[in-house]
Amino acid sequence: DIVMTQTPLSSPVTLGQSASISCRSSQSLVHRDGNTYLSWLQQRPGQPPRLLIYKISKRVSGVPDRFSGSGAGTDFTLKISRVESEDVGVYYCMQAIQFPHTFGQGTKLEIK
Amino acid sequence: QVQLVQSGAEVKKPGASVKVSCKASGYTFTDYYIHWVRQAPGQGLQWLGWINPNSGDTNYAQTFQGRVTLTRDTSISTAYMDLSTLRSDDTAVYYCARHEWGWGATDYWGQGTLVTVSS
Repeated sequence: DIVMTQTPLSSPVTLGQSASISCRSSQSLVHRDGNTYLSWLQQRPGQPPRLLIYKISKRVSGVPDRFSGSGAGTDFTLKISRVESEDVGVYYCMQAIQFPHTFGQGTKLEIK
Repeated sequence: QVQLVQSGAEVKKPGASVKVSCKASGYTFTDYYIHWVRQAPGQGLQWLGWINPNSGDTNYAQTFQGRVTLTRDTSISTAYMDLSTLRSDDTAVYYCARHEWGWGATDYWGQGTLVTVSS
């Protein structure tokens, strides 16, 4: 199975500041079709996960442009600019090039 | 709008089985795979498997092979997850999610169903 490793596991951030979450996979996430199937999900307290970004950097409709994804191969980053109180929750990266699909451990974003 | 509505919470005894339903609306049910993911209390996300609602084909995580069965009823746009021989560590919230194949991502999620396994 592909192991997804996120750092940090906890990220205290001041409102209005930026946060970055790293996600590293145990093998390349480049599919033979040329796409890289790495996505980011947000889970607010008591809510189901919500898809934010797919294929490394493509934002889902309705997701603020404060959220951006980058990376390639095995190393990926989610950046949240100008953090707002509604961003509090746990963020997961997920790979979908191989079954079973696997998730990072989650990074808890909290306000200082 | 796309919605996945799951059945209510369940309490089961060890060794029993549970069946969770996931009713889809707002899109053509047979056009998208349904994935199942679970989350133990205070823990992360774990993928169980998928079903192709069009063909009924399935794929299960090795960890759950032999214990999980995914089915669907296209006449009512509903997917089902059946988990047998329950153990206390199966206590979790179980989610269904629609998979957008071209994106390689699960774009809509059900609200979750808490399954508690306790003697």
